Amino acid sequence: SQQGEEDPQALSIQEGENATMNCSYKTSINNLQWYRQNSGRGLVHLILIRSNEREKHSGRLRVTLDTSKKSSSLLITASRAADTASYFCATATSGTYKYIFGTGTRLKVLA
Amino acid sequence: NAGVTQTPKFRVLKTGQSMTLLCAQDMNHEYMYWYRQDPGMGLRLIHYSVGEGTTAKGEVPDGYNVSRLKKQNFLLGLESAAPSQTSVYFCASRGKGGEQYFGPGTRLTVT
Repeated sequence: SQQGEEDPQALSIQEGENATMNCSYKTSINNLQWYRQNSGRGLVHLILIRSNEREKHSGRLRVTLDTSKKSSSLLITASRAADTASYFCATATSGTYKYIFGTGTRLKVLA
Repeated sequence: NAGVTQTPKFRVLKTGQSMTLLCAQDMNHEYMYWYRQDPGMGLRLIHYSVGEGTTAKGEVPDGYNVSRLKKQNFLLGLESAAPSQTSVYFCASRGKGGEQYFGPGTRLTVT
C-alpha cells in the first residue's frame, strides 16, 4: 500500500490536555499537510509544512517534520471538546501532483 | 463563494447501473482530485486533473472514468457499478499553496 500510517489509531483525552499524533510516510515529499475531518463531513486543511522546514506553528497546532525518518507529528495544545474529530496527514509526493493520505487518528476530547 | 460543491449527496445504485458524480469549484483552481474513503482505509486517490482538458490516474482508477471539460467542473463516472464501489466519494481542488479544499462528499451505496 502507498498509504502513510498514523499513530495512534485512536486517542481519548480530557479537555485541556495536549494531544499528539504521528504520521509516517514512504516516499520523498514536497510537503506534508494535516487535515481534520468531523464525522460525516469533508476534510478541512489545518497546516502545511514544506520539506525544508522542521517545525511550524498555527494557533494551538504545532507540527514537526523529520525527513530523515520520514515522519511528522501534530500536537494540539489545550484541547477542547470541539477538537473531537479524525486527523489525517497527507504527503505531496516529489515530482507529482498526487497526494497520499494516512489512515487517520480518531481523537476524542472529553469535557 | 461556495468553495467546492458535490452533487448528489447520496445515491443508491443497483449492480450494473451507471452514474456521474459532479464536482464544481469557484476558486479558479487548476488542480482537482477525486478520492474515495472507506472505513479504516483513509482517502485513496481515484483520478486527478492538472488543468482543463487533462486527466490522470491515481491509486485506484479501475472502474471509474473522469472528464474535465471546464476548469470549474470535474466529473466522475461509474459505467457499471459494483458493490465494491460502495464508498464515500470526495472531490477536492488544490490552492496555490498546495492545500486542498474538499467538498462535503457523496455517499454511494451499490446493492
